[in-house]
Amino acid sequence: DAKTTQPNSMESNEEEPVHLPCNHSTISGTDYIHWYRQLPSQGPEYVIHGLTSNVNNRMASLAIAEDRKSSTLILHRATLRDAAVYYCILRDWNAGNMLTFGGGTRLMVKP
Amino acid sequence: KAGVTQTPRYLIKTRGQQVTLSCSPISGHRSVSWYQQTPGQGLQFLFEYFSETQRNKGNFPGRFSGRQFSNSRSEMNVSTLELGDSALYLCASNLEGNTEAFFGQGTRLTVV
Repeated sequence: DAKTTQPNSMESNEEEPVHLPCNHSTISGTDYIHWYRQLPSQGPEYVIHGLTSNVNNRMASLAIAEDRKSSTLILHRATLRDAAVYYCILRDWNAGNMLTFGGGTRLMVKP
Repeated sequence: KAGVTQTPRYLIKTRGQQVTLSCSPISGHRSVSWYQQTPGQGLQFLFEYFSETQRNKGNFPGRFSGRQFSNSRSEMNVSTLELGDSALYLCASNLEGNTEAFFGQGTRLTVV
């Protein structure tokens, strides 16, 4: 499985933008980049996914490098509710719905 | 619409026993996946079922098994429980295709 590398933790101030980086240098052509987050005491929840182009949704934006070897999840205005572990996952579109989670980035948001 | 439902939410079992966990996916979702989450190993994929067939399997011993019924509900079974099986077991359902996975709240299993 293609692997991802993320910082263990990051800190942000409330209402400021947050950029969460992810490296995936061994990404293959059939890998989608998915982001999930896990709030305390809850199951993971989907945030966003993309293949080659940058993507936006109501929760976040995903910026994908031109060579696809890295990506950045952008939270435009962090709130206390965004404190969670964020996982960057490569999902092979030929391999069903299996998700291979790494260690993720623990985001702490300061008021 | 109703989310993914896992039962029971909490369970305490003794070493050597077996346990069955249940997962009801979102209506219309035919893919169900199971994950184990522990502080030491993080979130690890167990298996995925689609239309009653196991489609993917993670690297777990044969004591871990699952099945899916015609209504897409899924069960996973762990036999001969060990202390190390204590974990949060999460179930996720998907529509087919490269879509988002919806996770349940999990079943917290404690083996004593």
